[in-house]
Amino acid sequence: DVKVTQSSRYLVKRTGEKVFLECVQDMDHENMFWYRQDPGLGLRLIYFSYDVKMKEKGDIPEGYSVSREKKERFSLILESASTNQTSMYLCASAKWAYNEQFFGPGTRLTVL
Amino acid sequence: RKEVEQDPGPFNVPEGATVAFNCTYSNSASQSFFWYRQDCRKEPKLLMSVYSSGNEDGRFTAQLNRASQYISLLIRDSKLSDSATYLCVVSSNRDDKIIFGKGTRLHILP
Repeated sequence: DVKVTQSSRYLVKRTGEKVFLECVQDMDHENMFWYRQDPGLGLRLIYFSYDVKMKEKGDIPEGYSVSREKKERFSLILESASTNQTSMYLCASAKWAYNEQFFGPGTRLTVL
Repeated sequence: RKEVEQDPGPFNVPEGATVAFNCTYSNSASQSFFWYRQDCRKEPKLLMSVYSSGNEDGRFTAQLNRASQYISLLIRDSKLSDSATYLCVVSSNRDDKIIFGKGTRLHILP
């Protein structure tokens, strides 16, 4: 069974804090993704990575950065959290970029 | 035209009824199509892939219409447990792009 785990289910941070969201997958997938999901806006791609140390911007990369030092781990970084980054963050992995994605349980981030 | 478009619903359907919803896509080069299911406060999970010849899995049937650029999902004999949001997903091998629709909410009523 594919398993994608995320470091926290719920997180509360203050404006201006640096926030790290961690994602780990155990299926040796090359591709990993970070999305945010907001009511009425659906899933929006922030960044994705198709290999270690490789990253590509998604549709809404502003205010975020990512790190992929190991194949199984993909981190999302909010350099200076803002209230408009309050959202559900979902990590996913896939063997091929255009194929089935397996999602983690999500992190609900609240920025005060 | 939006890349992937779905009726947001909600569709309120009595238990046991048949319900169908469509998803339209704009990129004619799209090659892979999926339906995902997302329960409230949970992550999306793959429900089924959609093949050119159609795909049936128990009470669920997915169809692809390339000429009109839409995919459909039909649920027969609906159960209370079918209540969820159904996400349409379209991808292109050519540019490794995968697009999620915003989802259609389905409520099965007892």
